[in-house]
Amino acid sequence: GAGVSQSPSNKVTEKGKDVELRCDPISGHTALYWYRQSLGQGLEFLIYFQGNSAPDKSGLPSDRFSAERTGGSVSTLTIQRTQQEDSAVYLCASNPESRLTYEQYFGPGTRLTVT
Amino acid sequence: EDQVTQSPEALRLQEGESSSLNCSYTVSGLRGLFWYRQDPGKGPEFLFTLYSAGEEKEKERLKATLTKKESFLHITAPKPEDSATYLCDVQAHTNQAGTALIFGKGTTLSVSS
Repeated sequence: GAGVSQSPSNKVTEKGKDVELRCDPISGHTALYWYRQSLGQGLEFLIYFQGNSAPDKSGLPSDRFSAERTGGSVSTLTIQRTQQEDSAVYLCASNPESRLTYEQYFGPGTRLTVT
Repeated sequence: EDQVTQSPEALRLQEGESSSLNCSYTVSGLRGLFWYRQDPGKGPEFLFTLYSAGEEKEKERLKATLTKKESFLHITAPKPEDSATYLCDVQAHTNQAGTALIFGKGTTLSVSS
């Protein structure tokens, strides 16, 4: 079956511009996660959506970052006024249950380059 | 502060040369430890989940073990197709009754024939 998909696969933007990254989770998966992976760094948790509950935004690095999930399915991560340090691969993952102790299914990621 | 450290950062093996990767963690309350494999340009792929000390899981040439301080991913007689970055993810209780998701930086394994 179809896995987690993300778009675009690559995005180059100028410093100061806003960007939107999209994630389509596996159908029926209730939990959705966003991570950031910088070169030489581990995956950095950004935000977690669990069903209809309020999202866990504890990992968002600044108020320039926001995310929403519409209809319990597709999610969009928005970065406003991008900075060069925002350059990274942004990964989305989902899992079929709303409990965290369950393996995650990752998308291929969006590589963001801020020039 | 919760921490997850993977070692070594990089490991080069000859085909058939067994070895182990380490994931050491310092967390207040472990909920689960996950191992993932990541190939270049792709998202991580799930391998194993371990929940309590003493637990072991096996799959083909890989075996994961867990103690109260660390986890090992043992690779027996590796093949070139085992070359990848292996990531450790620790999920832990937080003071706010939530769950922290902490990934290590990974170990990049290269297996040559």
